[in-house]
Amino acid sequence: GENVGLHLPTLSVQEGDNSIINCAYSNSASDYFIWYKQESGKGPQFIIDIRSNMDKRQGQRVTVLLNKTVKHLSLQIAATQPGDSAVYFCAEGDNAGNMLTFGGGTRLMVKP
Amino acid sequence: DGGITQSPKYLFRKEGQNVTLSCEQNLNHDAMYWYRQDPGQGLRLIYYSQIVNDFQKGDIAEGYSVSREKKESFPLTVTSAQKNPTAFYLCASSTGQDPRDEQYFGPGTRLTVT
Repeated sequence: GENVGLHLPTLSVQEGDNSIINCAYSNSASDYFIWYKQESGKGPQFIIDIRSNMDKRQGQRVTVLLNKTVKHLSLQIAATQPGDSAVYFCAEGDNAGNMLTFGGGTRLMVKP
Repeated sequence: DGGITQSPKYLFRKEGQNVTLSCEQNLNHDAMYWYRQDPGQGLRLIYYSQIVNDFQKGDIAEGYSVSREKKESFPLTVTSAQKNPTAFYLCASSTGQDPRDEQYFGPGTRLTVT
């Protein structure tokens, strides 16, 4: 597969446990955030998004938490499965007309 | 199937040669983007186009060129002026109504230049 993510921070979890992946941002004007999942050799796929007027948003087995005070975003995956193994990264958008900015990513490894 | 396609998946070239990466979408999206992805780094924007026959440089445009003659297509040429062209290249598209719109990504092209 691709060597993307070779030097990324890695989170290793046991199958069935919950996973928490973190993302820090620096732009105070950012008001929209997206989490993407990228499996080896594939393009990123949208998981969930959140706007700055919300603190929490839930999807299927995933929850995104936004703490605007400390500029921190997290992705929680419940009952992590082997198929969740991938690189996860956040993207932020602001209200100044700028393009999305992507974070470096975290590799999630699920141990059976 | 609606989506965004990139070809080829793997591409090998000799140093000094220009090479063009293909990106096609049938999502009827106005905006298209090219990113470069290197190990340990986030996606870096090379070029983007918000409408046919118009495109803008991103953060790392030097050594690259693009064209947008058709809405569906946004090919990227990696020229011999690009000092470190070996990388994973991702193409994306969005509706273009807002720069923050969700971007849909293609499967990527891995370019190796020796």
